[in-house]
Amino acid sequence: EIVLTQSPGTLSLSPGERATLSCRASQSVGINYLAWYQQKFGQAPRLLIYGASSRATGIPDRFSGSGSGTDFTLTISRLEPEDVAVYYCQQFDASPYTFGQGTKLEIK
Amino acid sequence: QVHLQESGPGLVKPSGTLSLTCVVSSGSTNGSYWWNWVRQPPGQGLEWIGEIFRDGNTNYNPSLRSRLTMSLDKSKNQFSLNLHSVTATDTAVYYCASRRFGDYGFSWGQGTLVTVSS
Repeated sequence: EIVLTQSPGTLSLSPGERATLSCRASQSVGINYLAWYQQKFGQAPRLLIYGASSRATGIPDRFSGSGSGTDFTLTISRLEPEDVAVYYCQQFDASPYTFGQGTKLEIK
Repeated sequence: QVHLQESGPGLVKPSGTLSLTCVVSSGSTNGSYWWNWVRQPPGQGLEWIGEIFRDGNTNYNPSLRSRLTMSLDKSKNQFSLNLHSVTATDTAVYYCASRRFGDYGFSWGQGTLVTVSS
């Protein structure tokens, strides 16, 4: 199975700063098959990015995705307090559809 | 946008069967969607369980395949999960989720906590 490794485990930044979250795959993932989710405490995950770089409906343009092959990035520009959450990547290139272990984003 | 709602017992005894249903609204189980289940043990990450298409075709996580059955009831617009021979390690929040055929990203239900305990 494809293993997704996210880094860092925890990220602590101030409002207005830029957050860069990494997702590295154990083998190449097609760009159509990489998604990012945001999970706030006590809530279900919410789709942010699909196809590595396409924003889901209603997602602010502060959120952007990039990457290809084995290295993908979620960038959140101009952090806001409401962005506190755990962020997960997921691949659909090969079954089972695995998730990364998550990056916890804290706002100082 | 499809709306999903999970239902089922919150407590299951060890060695029993965990059974959950997901009701689909604002959409049809006969539509071109893959209907999925994902779980999350308390304080841990997400694990994909499996998916079923409108024609009954399934795709299961190999780690759970021997204990797993998914089904679809188009007349009730719902799909179901049965996980057999459960242990405490199956305790988790279970989410149903959907993705349109050809799309690669989930829309999610709110989730339901299932505890395996005697």
